Parts: sequence; C-alpha cells; structure tokens
Amino acid sequence: DIVMTQTPLSLSVTPGQPASISCKSTQSLLHSDGRTYLYWYLQRPGQPPQVLIYEASKLFSGVPDRFSGSASGTDFTLKISRVEAEDVGVYYCMQSIQLPLTFGQGTRLDIK
Amino acid sequence: QVQLQESGPGLVKPSETLSLTCAVSGYSISSGYCWGWIRQPPGKGLEWIGAVYHSGHTHYDPSLKSRVTISVDTSKNQFSLRLSSVTAADTAVYYCARQPHYYDNSGYRYYMDVWGKGTTVTVSS
Repeated sequence: DIVMTQTPLSLSVTPGQPASISCKSTQSLLHSDGRTYLYWYLQRPGQPPQVLIYEASKLFSGVPDRFSGSASGTDFTLKISRVEAEDVGVYYCMQSIQLPLTFGQGTRLDIK
Repeated sequence: QVQLQESGPGLVKPSETLSLTCAVSGYSISSGYCWGWIRQPPGKGLEWIGAVYHSGHTHYDPSLKSRVTISVDTSKNQFSLRLSSVTAADTAVYYCARQPHYYDNSGYRYYMDVWGKGTTVTVSS
C-alpha cells in the first residue's frame, strides 16, 4: 500500500495568517494519463470530510480560492493564504493512483 | 443536489455481521459513478473500505476483503455494506460516499466528492 505522511500533525494559526500542510507519498502519484492522484480533504468538527483540492492542484467547486495545492515529485503541499475561523478542523491528504485508497494521518488546525 | 444517507443498527455484537445501507437521492445510481464506504474509528483517521460500480463490480481494501461485501440495488437506488465477524476494532463512524472515477487498462482511480453524514456503529456485547 502507498503510505501517506503528513506534517505537522497539528498547527495553531492566527486568523488572517497563512498556513501550510505537507504530505509525502511513498510512491509517485503521477499517472501516465497526466493526472496526479492526490486529494486534500477538510473534516470540520462533527462533519463528514469535504474535498478541497483534487488532482494535487485543482480547486474543487465552491471551495474558497484562499486554498491552493501544489506538488513536487512525491511531496505535496496544501496552503491557506489567510486562515479564517471556518477553516478549523482536520486536514487529510489521500492518494488514489493505486488501490486501496490511503489517507495521511491528518493535520489538526485550530485558531489562536 | 445529490444526497446520501446511511442507515443501520448502531450496536452490533462481536462475531456478528454489521449491515449498513446508503440511500441515494438526487441522482440515479444506475447512471454511473462508483459508490463507496469509508470508516473512522473513534479519535482516528479515515479508512477506505471499498466501493461498488453501478454494474456491481467491486473493489475492497485487502485487509478487509475476506469479511466485506458491498452491493448495489439500483431498483431502490441504494447500496449496502456487510462486514462479517466484527470485533471491537470495527467500532467506527461509517460514511458512504459517491466516487467519481477514471478507468483505463491500468484500473480504477477514484475519489470521494459527496459524503453521507455518517452513522456510528459500536461493536459490543
């Protein structure tokens, strides 16, 4: 199975400040079809996860553009340009280039 | 607007079979997509269980494959999860989800875009 490792596991951010979460995979997530099969999810307290970023860098419909994703080899980054109170929750990366789907451990973001 | 709703017993005894159903509204399962199950043990992360295509073709996490069955009922527009021989380690919130996918000769690649709210299942005598 592909192992996804996230860092940090928690972070506390002042509203209006940027935040960054890293995710590293044990195998390349770049498929021969040209797509990179890495996704970012946010799980707010008491809620199911919601997709933020698909294919490493594409913003999912309805997601604020303060969220962005990038990739470099097997390293992936989710950035929030200006954190807002509603961004509190646990962020997960997930790969889908190979079954079974696997997730990172999660990164808990809270507000200072 | 597509909505998914999980239902089933909240308490299952050890060694018995967990059975959950996901009712889909706002979209016909027979029109396409894969449909999957994901779980989250208390205080822990997300675990993909498996998925079923509208044709009935299935994929399972290998660690659960011997105990899992996911099936689809297009006449009722729902899909189901059965997990046999449960133990306390199967206690979790169980989510159903729609899974958009790509498919070619290298297999399926999909993610989850619409989720149910989740249902808590406790395994205890």
